[in-house]
Amino acid sequence: DSGVTQTPKHLITATGQRVTLRCSPRSGDLSVYWYQQSLDQGLQFLIQYYNGEERAKGNILERFSAQQFPDLHSELNLSSLELGDSALYFCASSVGASGTYEQYFGPGTRLTVT
Amino acid sequence: GQNIDQPTEMTATEGAIVQINCTYQTSGFNGLFWYQQHAGEAPTFLSYNVLDGLEEKGRFSSFLSRSKGYSYLLLKELQMKDSASYLCAVPTTSGTYKYIFGTGTRLKVLA
Repeated sequence: DSGVTQTPKHLITATGQRVTLRCSPRSGDLSVYWYQQSLDQGLQFLIQYYNGEERAKGNILERFSAQQFPDLHSELNLSSLELGDSALYFCASSVGASGTYEQYFGPGTRLTVT
Repeated sequence: GQNIDQPTEMTATEGAIVQINCTYQTSGFNGLFWYQQHAGEAPTFLSYNVLDGLEEKGRFSSFLSRSKGYSYLLLKELQMKDSASYLCAVPTTSGTYKYIFGTGTRLKVLA
């Protein structure tokens, strides 16, 4: 158990819908990262927040947005969902903001868009 | 550009030694990570190299050559539970992509 929690574990929804994925980092960690993992593309970095502020941005679609709240939990919002958004979404956390800290990954949310 | 290359699949026998290679091209190098990921599960941290050379940690060792843009993960005394994907990852300090993960090497350990 990494100490990172994600809800829900599974999510099935229809195209065009909007969903929210939630992540709570390990106690003491200030950084939260979001990743998308699909079968054909591996682990893709989406976005990082550090202590409530956006720190780094990867290949995140405009239909996707995220935020980190004062209690450090984070939410990833996916809207106008398409079939291609079906994937495993991981949240990870680390102590610091830079890339030199190991990341602890949550169990993931499996999103299926039908 | 920024890129990471790893072999897609490898097969080895229980008790053997296997070396998983990773080559990378990035700007603003800040070290290289190896993660292990069992199918359907979350990645877990294995090692972090920022200086050239070999870092040993039990049955697992990781090597880095910054001048060659090359790293490898060495797994000794293979066990069935080592069957997993091994991801090479590089954090960068410039460009749009902050963290680049390789597509992973799927290792199958046979009895």
